[in-house]
Amino acid sequence: EVVMTQSPATVSVSPGERVTLSCRTSQTVSSNLAWYQQKPGQGPRLLIYDASTRATGIPARFSGSGSGTEFTLTISSLQSEDFVVYYCQQYNNWPATFGGGTKVEIK
Amino acid sequence: EVQLLESGGMLVQRGGSLRLSCAASGFPFRSYAMNWVRQAPGKGLEWVSGISGSGGATYYADSVKGRFTISRDNSKNTLYLQMSSLRAEDTAVYYCAKDSEFERRSPLLVYWGQGTLVTVSS
Repeated sequence: EVVMTQSPATVSVSPGERVTLSCRTSQTVSSNLAWYQQKPGQGPRLLIYDASTRATGIPARFSGSGSGTEFTLTISSLQSEDFVVYYCQQYNNWPATFGGGTKVEIK
Repeated sequence: EVQLLESGGMLVQRGGSLRLSCAASGFPFRSYAMNWVRQAPGKGLEWVSGISGSGGATYYADSVKGRFTISRDNSKNTLYLQMSSLRAEDTAVYYCAKDSEFERRSPLLVYWGQGTLVTVSS
């Protein structure tokens, strides 16, 4: 199966700053990569699919890029509600697999 | 508005059985594949099982194959996960999630429920 590696595991950022999260896959997944946001006690929410397309209702401060095996999620100006956990997931190969997550915490 | 409401999670003994349900609304249920994804306490996400819109195709992670059965009742807009021979490592929050397509082996999970907790006592 495709192994997903997210880095860093935790990142400390100040509100209003920009942050970039990384996701690396063990084999190419083309652009079939999604990013999810998970708040405590809630199910994940789809942010980005096809590596760079924002899902419905997702603010423009969230952007995704990459293809093949290297992907990034950028949040351009962190708001208070953005300090949560983010996961990447590939849906190119079976089974679908997720990264271990990156927690964005307040500096 | 899409809503997915899971139920059925509870404390169960090792080796026991349990059936989870997911009531769906706000979209044409029969037109989309559905999935179960789980999250062990304090851990990441693991895809568990998926089913096509018609119910004719089903998929399972190796970790649950032969023990879990996914099904759906399109007349009731409800997804199910029958779990048997439960192990301590099955302890997790189980999420119901809607796919973006009618059938797909590896899903893009567009909407998720709030989850239901399954605890397997050892």
